[in-house]
Amino acid sequence: DAGVTQSPTHLIKTRGQQVTLRCSPKSGHDTVSWYQQALGQGPQFIFQYYEEEERQRGNFPDRFSGHQFPNYSSELNVNALLLGDSALYLCASSYPGGLSGRFGSGTRLTVV
Amino acid sequence: GQNIDQPTEMTATEGAIVQINCTYQTSGFNGLFWYQQHAGEAPTFLSYNVLDGLEEKGRFSSFLSRSKGYSYLLLKELQMKDSASYLCAGGNYGQNFVFGPGTRLSVLP
Repeated sequence: DAGVTQSPTHLIKTRGQQVTLRCSPKSGHDTVSWYQQALGQGPQFIFQYYEEEERQRGNFPDRFSGHQFPNYSSELNVNALLLGDSALYLCASSYPGGLSGRFGSGTRLTVV
Repeated sequence: GQNIDQPTEMTATEGAIVQINCTYQTSGFNGLFWYQQHAGEAPTFLSYNVLDGLEEKGRFSSFLSRSKGYSYLLLKELQMKDSASYLCAGGNYGQNFVFGPGTRLSVLP
């Protein structure tokens, strides 16, 4: 039984570029949440997707957008990258109304 | 608001016991979670408290007092591999986690 999988594992982008990160939830889960973790800090909630809709959003600008596909996998898109977007991006999946506590291994994004 | 506080760093000796405290000011958390995170890796789930009291799981135990907005993670018989960051997180009724800043624990020989 595969857990939460994320791709790519590492990524380097230039300021102003756009990036897409991908997440496949644990089998049986249909809710996907994204978090940003800057170095030395705790993860910060970006948004959550359920039934292909954004259900809840944290305090992040509109440059951060997402999508969920019919197979429950999800993408996180960040436009007009800033140096401050450099972070570990984590995906967590769950059942609706549940917190499984299961995170993917993350994508390390470096903006130069 | 939702605010979670933890000490930034702690140091302990191999074989000892260490307690990592977490305090929070919020309404709406339906559970308190603890995660372990090694440098460069994703958080891994350690424990979950929804009711007041102590939950024991091998060398790790977690305590919650909802009326006091207080939790702690107790690590016994410390091993070198326990050197990591420990994250306290509140769960918002199935919606999302609110994480504290994390406590970096260094275990010394």
